[in-house]
Amino acid sequence: GQNIDQPTEMTATEGAIVQINCTYQTSGFNGLFWYQQHAGEAPTFLSYNVLDGLEEKGRFSSFLSRSKGYSYLLLKELQMKDSASYLCAVRNYGQNFVFGPGTRLSVLP
Amino acid sequence: EAGVAQSPRYKIIEKRQSVAFWCNPISGHATLYWYQQILGQGPKLLIQFQNNGVVDDSQLPKDRFSAERLKGVDSTLKIQPAKLEDSAVYLCASSLDRQGWSGANVLTFGAGSRLTVL
Repeated sequence: GQNIDQPTEMTATEGAIVQINCTYQTSGFNGLFWYQQHAGEAPTFLSYNVLDGLEEKGRFSSFLSRSKGYSYLLLKELQMKDSASYLCAVRNYGQNFVFGPGTRLSVLP
Repeated sequence: EAGVAQSPRYKIIEKRQSVAFWCNPISGHATLYWYQQILGQGPKLLIQFQNNGVVDDSQLPKDRFSAERLKGVDSTLKIQPAKLEDSAVYLCASSLDRQGWSGANVLTFGAGSRLTVL
């Protein structure tokens, strides 16, 4: 089967660092993707990992451990505009994307 | 480049009526996906096309949902008859899928079509 787990909700303070975890069990692995989705809008691409390790893009970093079926998204210097849902998605061998339930992040002043 | 276009943005219908959604992917993108996103949940794949062929429609409720991608470009998703539980946002996405180029695997989503079934 295919299963992706993420925390449902997280809260953090402006300027802080937050880590959003994702664990997965899928039929094959061909990359892990993180998307940001503001309320009422479409998901937008943030980050992509296909090999183990850390990928850094400005204030956002994503980590992958394929042996553990684990990834995290790290957001630094949080801003109010980072309040959104963060979706973890795995691309499997069928070349389709399986999405997790999403983590709703609230950034407080 | 132009993004993924979808219409209509909003649709309200009564149960047992029919509805159709249209999607125009990014030019040159071979793969097109339709996802259903129920409020508070992640997107769930309904159907995946590679050019004009179906790659995966295992989660498409075929008794009421149908989709086609004529000429490997635009796509339509139809629901007939609609049920209350079909209320959701229908997201169309596309990707380039050029072999050996990781950036080609990124999904780009359209703005979505929000369906309310009363």
